[in-house]
Amino acid sequence: EPEVTQTPSHQVTQMGQEVILRCVPISNHLYFYWYRQILGQKVEFLVSFYNNEISEKSEIFDDQFSVERPDGSNFTLKIRSTKLEDSAMYFCASKRLAGHEQFFGPGTRLTVL
Amino acid sequence: AQTVTQSQPEMSVQEAETVTLSCTYDTSESDYYLFWYKQPPSRQMILVIRQEAYKQQNATENRFSVNFQKAAKSFSLKISDSQLGDAAMYFCAYRSSISNFGNEKLTFGTGTRLTIIP
Repeated sequence: EPEVTQTPSHQVTQMGQEVILRCVPISNHLYFYWYRQILGQKVEFLVSFYNNEISEKSEIFDDQFSVERPDGSNFTLKIRSTKLEDSAMYFCASKRLAGHEQFFGPGTRLTVL
Repeated sequence: AQTVTQSQPEMSVQEAETVTLSCTYDTSESDYYLFWYKQPPSRQMILVIRQEAYKQQNATENRFSVNFQKAAKSFSLKISDSQLGDAAMYFCAYRSSISNFGNEKLTFGTGTRLTIIP
């Protein structure tokens, strides 16, 4: 069964550094999402992406964040200058055109030191 | 804005018994979707069950069923014949039915950690 994959599984970075989190959505899906989960807290929506543009973003998704679909398979989340509070689990999700279910990847744990 | 509340941070149940996880939500919309997602220790979230608000009939998926009370804005998950593999974090989630090119974000509750006692 097709799955959403994410790399790396764990990323450690220094405060102020740029990180790129990568996701490969399910191949026939057209809607893509990023969520994050700070340890012990709820999963929070960051951004949704459709037709090569952002369709909605949360207040968390400020100018430090950007998303891109650089080719036909990858979907990336970039954090330009990481802060300590960016430490969290980041989940990518995708959804097909007429579906209701968002399929989640296993997540990338980002640790900012 | 919609909010989702899960008032039980942790629950435990004996194997083969039945457990109910609670979820309440707040919305001004009349049509929406509700979901229960399971997050096992491997961390990947998996959809357990979905309920459309316009449907009066409660959704059922094998051992999993919901009690959807629209007027009370309540959406509980019942797990029958609990198995060790059911141990996980369970998240209740809300999604508006208003679609705008994929902006159907999920709003999650804080989760309930379910432990299965052998």
